[in-house]
Amino acid sequence: QVQLVQSGAEVKKPGASVTVSCKTSDYTFPTYGISWVRQAPGQGLEWMGWISAGTANTNYAQTFQGRVTMTLDTSTTTAYMDLRSLRPDDTAVYFCARSTSYNILTGPWGQGTLVTVSS
Amino acid sequence: FMLTQPHSVSASPGKTVTISCTRDSGNIDTTYVQWFQQRPGSSPTTVIYEDNQRPSGVPDRFSGSIDSSSNSASLTISGLKTEDEGDYYCQSYDNNNHGVFGGGTKLTVL
Repeated sequence: QVQLVQSGAEVKKPGASVTVSCKTSDYTFPTYGISWVRQAPGQGLEWMGWISAGTANTNYAQTFQGRVTMTLDTSTTTAYMDLRSLRPDDTAVYFCARSTSYNILTGPWGQGTLVTVSS
Repeated sequence: FMLTQPHSVSASPGKTVTISCTRDSGNIDTTYVQWFQQRPGSSPTTVIYEDNQRPSGVPDRFSGSIDSSSNSASLTISGLKTEDEGDYYCQSYDNNNHGVFGGGTKLTVL
């Protein structure tokens, strides 16, 4: 069945960068996109952006413009999300989720990756 | 724009509950609305996409609708089960195709 498996938890210092991976399987990778969403502890969901797996076009939330980069490795059907200049308030669980080629978040979702930013 | 949801709703097993999602500016029917369920300690799952479509595996007890007159979307869950407990989020898009989430609604099945 369709699966999205994310990389493990990370602990980073303020100012550092983090890369979260999202390995997909059992579907035609280029015909969909991948959305990234994060959830701070005890808070709601926050949309970060989307990447088309067919064209590699990206669409980032204004909040993260200049700090986030979403990329793909089509040979391994893996999506990546890089977040730079980390701050303590970037501490959150980061999710990837399959989306349509036009950015509709249909799922399924990855299991989530906890990123902790602390000095 | 913002999407406003009730903070919490509750109902008994077997009953029907409706969760609203009101858009404060712009028309609700200009961009698709999605709904996500998040059980405690789990990642979200999509229960409705494109206003009223169910992903495969989501039971037909879950339905979505749009009401232009109130500029809101609704998620209705019928035949409530205890396993339906959790947080529910609505989501749509702005003019730049950026996602916007509602604040979430905690559903308690008493």
